[in-house]
Amino acid sequence: DAGVIQSPRHEVTEMGQEVTLRCKPISGHNSLFWYRQTMMRGLELLIYFNNNVPIDDSGMPEDRFSAKMPNASFSTLKIQPSEPRDSAVYFCASSTRSTYNEQFFGPGTRLTVL
Amino acid sequence: GESVGLHLPTLSVQEGDNSIINCAYSNSASDYFIWYKQESGKGPQFIIDIRSNMDKRQGQRVTVLLNKTVKHLSLQIAATQPGDSAVYFCAENGNNQGGKLIFGQGTELSVKP
Repeated sequence: DAGVIQSPRHEVTEMGQEVTLRCKPISGHNSLFWYRQTMMRGLELLIYFNNNVPIDDSGMPEDRFSAKMPNASFSTLKIQPSEPRDSAVYFCASSTRSTYNEQFFGPGTRLTVL
Repeated sequence: GESVGLHLPTLSVQEGDNSIINCAYSNSASDYFIWYKQESGKGPQFIIDIRSNMDKRQGQRVTVLLNKTVKHLSLQIAATQPGDSAVYFCAENGNNQGGKLIFGQGTELSVKP
């Protein structure tokens, strides 16, 4: 079975541009998580969805960040406008909706904002 | 607030030795804990988990120990191999019903041949 799929794997853009990151969770999983990883702050949860509904977006840094999950097999994380401090690796993870199940991570998108 | 922290940011061991990676958690309501391994350029991978009704759980070459009295979690890797070199994260659920996990800062394990 395919794991969590993320695209693109690498993105280089200029400050002010819009960036859209994409994620396809594992089929049958009904929870989806977006994380950001940097050397300074480690792995941070940005937002997560249960059954396509956003449950907790308290980790979203500011209004420039938005996430959607239009259906069970697709989610996007958008940054508009992007800034150099947004440079990080962004991970998507999915799991079955349970307190006691591990999350499966995608390979990540390495974003560089110049 | 809730936090999960690791005592040692780096750990260097000789190939064949046993490794112990430690983690402290602060949320006494957490009842589920996970260890993840992250290799360079990859996403975190599940290693082993444990529920709070257990003190110890063993996998293949790995053992997780949970001490709820002092809120401490450890990962033991037996006969450490070069392929074990990675960053290891502990995570707790904070008794969150939605599947949310709180991750620690990570420990980098380096295995010397």
